[in-house]
Amino acid sequence: QKEVEQNSGPLSVPEGAIASLNCTYSDRGSQSFFWYRQYSGKSPELIMSIYSNGDKEDGRFTAQLNKASQYVSLLIRDSQPSDSATYLCAGKGSGNTGKLIFGQGTTLQVKP
Amino acid sequence: NAGVMQNPRHLVRRRGQEARLRCSPMKGHSHVYWYRQLPEEGLKFMVYLQKENIIDESGMPKERFSAEFPKEGPSILRIQQVVRGDSAAYFCATTPGLAYTDTQYFGPGTRLTVL
Repeated sequence: QKEVEQNSGPLSVPEGAIASLNCTYSDRGSQSFFWYRQYSGKSPELIMSIYSNGDKEDGRFTAQLNKASQYVSLLIRDSQPSDSATYLCAGKGSGNTGKLIFGQGTTLQVKP
Repeated sequence: NAGVMQNPRHLVRRRGQEARLRCSPMKGHSHVYWYRQLPEEGLKFMVYLQKENIIDESGMPKERFSAEFPKEGPSILRIQQVVRGDSAAYFCATTPGLAYTDTQYFGPGTRLTVL
């Protein structure tokens, strides 16, 4: 069983729509979760971090965490073509080394 | 990836040669993580180091791979006798500490091609 799972996509949405990206994790001890955006050929760029149950909003982005269901999501409102990228969900392992466990990433395509 | 530096950005090696990848942490960061991204795959943890210490190398292949983070200078990931399967993007990420809120910031990566 993979520790962090995401649908690989591609997820295609029209410009201006809401994109919903989902992630599940198996390590109940994980306390913190991160969404990174990765453009093709580039390095991961942090979008959001979330540590507590509920929603966290930052501009057009909202991260949601449900620890009981072991579920993390990222909503992108008013999607733009520049949002087209691969979105990586990562959980910080419950051990004391802080390593990140990544999902395989979801490719988002925003069509003009 | 503000401030995390990696070099070289691109590295081409022939099978059997050695590859050395370097990572200079962001100012104030003393924790270094190396990740590997194989083509069309996600990021996989390799090793976690602090100055002069390897803390967790559970993701490192048992042979040919080694890492260090000396007291002075960058962290180095070394791959001996490279094979074609080593072709990948290697990223380092750094963080100031181990609090669960501490975020890892990624460098630009080194793209290794083995001919």
